[in-house]
Amino acid sequence: DGGITQSPKYLFRKEGQNVTLSCEQNLNHDAMYWYRQDPGQGLRLIYYSQIVNDFQKGDIAEGYSVSREKKESFPLTVTSAQKNPTAFYLCASSTPGLNTGELFFGEGSRLTVL
Amino acid sequence: EDKVVQSPLSLVVHEGDTVTLNCSYEVTNFRSLLWYKQEKKAPTFLFMLTSSGIEKKSGRLSSILDKKELSSILNITATQTGDSAIYLCACSGGTSYGKLTFGQGTILTVHP
Repeated sequence: DGGITQSPKYLFRKEGQNVTLSCEQNLNHDAMYWYRQDPGQGLRLIYYSQIVNDFQKGDIAEGYSVSREKKESFPLTVTSAQKNPTAFYLCASSTPGLNTGELFFGEGSRLTVL
Repeated sequence: EDKVVQSPLSLVVHEGDTVTLNCSYEVTNFRSLLWYKQEKKAPTFLFMLTSSGIEKKSGRLSSILDKKELSSILNITATQTGDSAIYLCACSGGTSYGKLTFGQGTILTVHP
């Protein structure tokens, strides 16, 4: 079945370490997104990419980096520069053919910094 | 800066009650308002409302867009324990399709 796969589902990291979250989609969607979710704050956009080899910063990009070398993949790296990385991270995709703005989400990755 | 605000932030009801969730927005070049339900992990799409489609209904859920008041409501009638979830409101605007601004979410708890 088509969908978005995020891994790992749970991740623990020591302070000062970088960590990369994987996001793969087989929906043939052009655009992909990374959101961060904290309790009581809804979803906040970290980075998004509308085509391969191109991406833009969202509202809270500091301390994060991404790449988009393949249409199917949009990994997110949480760097040691991110001061408060413990959160739930959601990857999503969409396509202009839907003309709705609807996002399709993965199951999420929960990152805990020890 | 685009802004979406939901209220209440949390709500506790009993099965059979009717609930109304609110969403207000300030979005440049508004295009659509979307409602999602998040039970455990991935949010799932409920409705999309636009200037050309301001009312949607699916079973016990319905939603209305008030373009004048820049707001939307999500109604759930005859609530069930399975309706317990976080309900997210989001808006799209501008030229970047799919780039949504989310509200804080409303946590709905339905007791038996």
